[in-house]
Amino acid sequence: DAGVTQSPTHLIKTRGQQVTLRCSPKSGHDTVSWYQQALGQGPQFIFQYYEEEERQRGNFPDRFSGHQFPNYSSELNVNALLLGDSALYLCASSADSGGAYLTDTQYFGPGTRLTVL
Amino acid sequence: QQQVKQSPQSLIVQKGGISIINCAYENTAFDYFPWYQQFPGKGPALLIAIRPDVSEKKEGRFTISFNKSAKQFSLHIMDSQPGDSATYFCAASSRGSTLGRLYFGRGTQLTVWP
Repeated sequence: DAGVTQSPTHLIKTRGQQVTLRCSPKSGHDTVSWYQQALGQGPQFIFQYYEEEERQRGNFPDRFSGHQFPNYSSELNVNALLLGDSALYLCASSADSGGAYLTDTQYFGPGTRLTVL
Repeated sequence: QQQVKQSPQSLIVQKGGISIINCAYENTAFDYFPWYQQFPGKGPALLIAIRPDVSEKKEGRFTISFNKSAKQFSLHIMDSQPGDSATYFCAASSRGSTLGRLYFGRGTQLTVWP
């Protein structure tokens, strides 16, 4: 059973460019969350997708957008890249339990290391 | 505002010793408290998690202690091993108010000396 997969592993961009990161959730999971992890910091929530809709959003500008496909995979898009966008971008998947106990667990992928020059 | 505060920032423990990492939160709506372990260049991996209806949960060498009234929880690693050297993050979420969004602490870098 494959876990959460992300692509690409590493990416180097220059300021002002646009980038798309991809995530495939764990089998059986329908909810995808994206997090940004700056060096030496804990992950910060960007947004969450469920049923192909953005369900909630953290404190990130509109330059950050996303999409979820019918197969539950997801993309994170960042426009007009800034130097401060350099970070590890993590995708986490979970199953929407509708209130049940154990399925709140979020499983993280290996991340995409984005470097903006 | 940091929703979850974690300490210490770094911890050095001798092999066989006990590692203790502490976290505190303010939002009483939080009802799920996981700990993640992260190795360099990897994504966080779920280690152990607890709900506030119990005060302690143990899995192997890892134990979470939870104090609901103090809004604090801690991770204890017994018989620490060099392979435990990693960064540990506590987190908190609420199914009701935040739909499972995880709020992370800043992390604790644990080094276990052989």
